Amino acid sequence: DQQVKQNSPSLSVQEGRISILNCDYTNSMFDYFLWYKKYPAEGPTFLISISSIKDKNEDGRFTVFLNKSAKHLSLHIVPSQPGDSAVYFCAASEGGTSYDKVIFGPGTSLSVIP
Amino acid sequence: DAGVIQSPRHEVTEMGQEVTLRCKPISGHDYLFWYRQTMMRGLELLIYFNNNVPIDDSGMPEDRFSAKMPNASFSTLKIQPSEPRDSAVYFCASSLSGPYGYTFGSGTRLTVV
Repeated sequence: DQQVKQNSPSLSVQEGRISILNCDYTNSMFDYFLWYKKYPAEGPTFLISISSIKDKNEDGRFTVFLNKSAKHLSLHIVPSQPGDSAVYFCAASEGGTSYDKVIFGPGTSLSVIP
Repeated sequence: DAGVIQSPRHEVTEMGQEVTLRCKPISGHDYLFWYRQTMMRGLELLIYFNNNVPIDDSGMPEDRFSAKMPNASFSTLKIQPSEPRDSAVYFCASSLSGPYGYTFGSGTRLTVV
């Protein structure tokens, strides 16, 4: 049973518009949430993260929102650029002894159309 | 630093053969992770090591899979015997500690025919 879910396998957005990628989780013990980005033929790379004590974290064009009560987080990309076209993985980690173990979702493929 | 190095990049093998995937983590990183990516399940954690000791292998699908880390600079993931359903991209990642600093290798694309 998947603990991290990304229900949209793919998303297409016009260049300059906002991209919103969604993620849901089932494990209430998750304390840290991350987004990774993956280009074809490369490994995933870390993009942005958020701790469970926050509800928003911003880094340039990328903002992650966390709604703990709904067990939901989202990644906003504004404005979207063609170079943002990639697979985005939502990921989460528990605290304590499992701090270093990251569980990934299945990914959402984002296409930004010029 | 050259990053996490995986070899081979591509592997095609026949069903029943033994397959060995290799990984060299970033020097100084204490943690090493093996993930598998498939269309159906996305990125699955198979096993991870801390200071060369396996910590959690609950994601290893079957006894056909085994992983070792004989020293801080090398790890292997072995499948014996291989089956077509093992076809996937296998990633190795390393980190100093914590969930933020994962560095992934470029992956090994395994095809079992």
